[in-house]
Amino acid sequence: NAGVTQTPKFQVLKTGQSMTLQCAQDMNHNSMYWYRQDPGMGLRLIYYSASEGTTDKGEVPNGYNVSRLNKREFSLRLESAAPSQTSVYFCASSGGQINSPLHFGNGTRLTVT
Amino acid sequence: DAKTTQPNSMESNEEEPVHLPCNHSTISGTDYIHWYRQLPSQGPEYVIHGLTSNVNNRMASLAIAEDRKSSTLILHRATLRDAAVYYCILSPGGGNKLTFGTGTQLKVEL
Repeated sequence: NAGVTQTPKFQVLKTGQSMTLQCAQDMNHNSMYWYRQDPGMGLRLIYYSASEGTTDKGEVPNGYNVSRLNKREFSLRLESAAPSQTSVYFCASSGGQINSPLHFGNGTRLTVT
Repeated sequence: DAKTTQPNSMESNEEEPVHLPCNHSTISGTDYIHWYRQLPSQGPEYVIHGLTSNVNNRMASLAIAEDRKSSTLILHRATLRDAAVYYCILSPGGGNKLTFGTGTQLKVEL
């Protein structure tokens, strides 16, 4: 099993450019999440999707949009990138039941110049 | 939400046990205690979780204080591959929206 797959692995954008980070899971999980991790800090939740067809804001949603395309895929879009969005972005999925472990991808390293 | 406090870093020697502490003095009765770890250049991975009783699995053991205000993650025999950042996280009601702090950086030496 591939688990959680994120693409691309690395990306450099100029301020104002847009891009979409892709995430797919093959574990038939109901819930999916997007986190960002800045240097020396913990992970902060951007958006999550408890089930197919639903999305909700997390701790730091400003500047981002998400789409739960189907049960497998959950994308994160930056409409107009800013240097403050330079970070490592992690996608995760879980079964959605109480205490279901989160399974993380290996991240997308984004730099905005 | 209740918060956790962990040491910034700890060191251990290979093949020795490691006890990683976590304080959560404001924990509520329905908060589960989760531990994750993050290896270099990877996403976090689940280690273990518990509510009141001590828990064991193939990766580690979780010892929870009787008053639940603290817990300890125990790695029975540290290896170089256990060098990672370890996160102690409280999960209200076992919910899956987890808040990760800065964790404890564990260094393992030969």
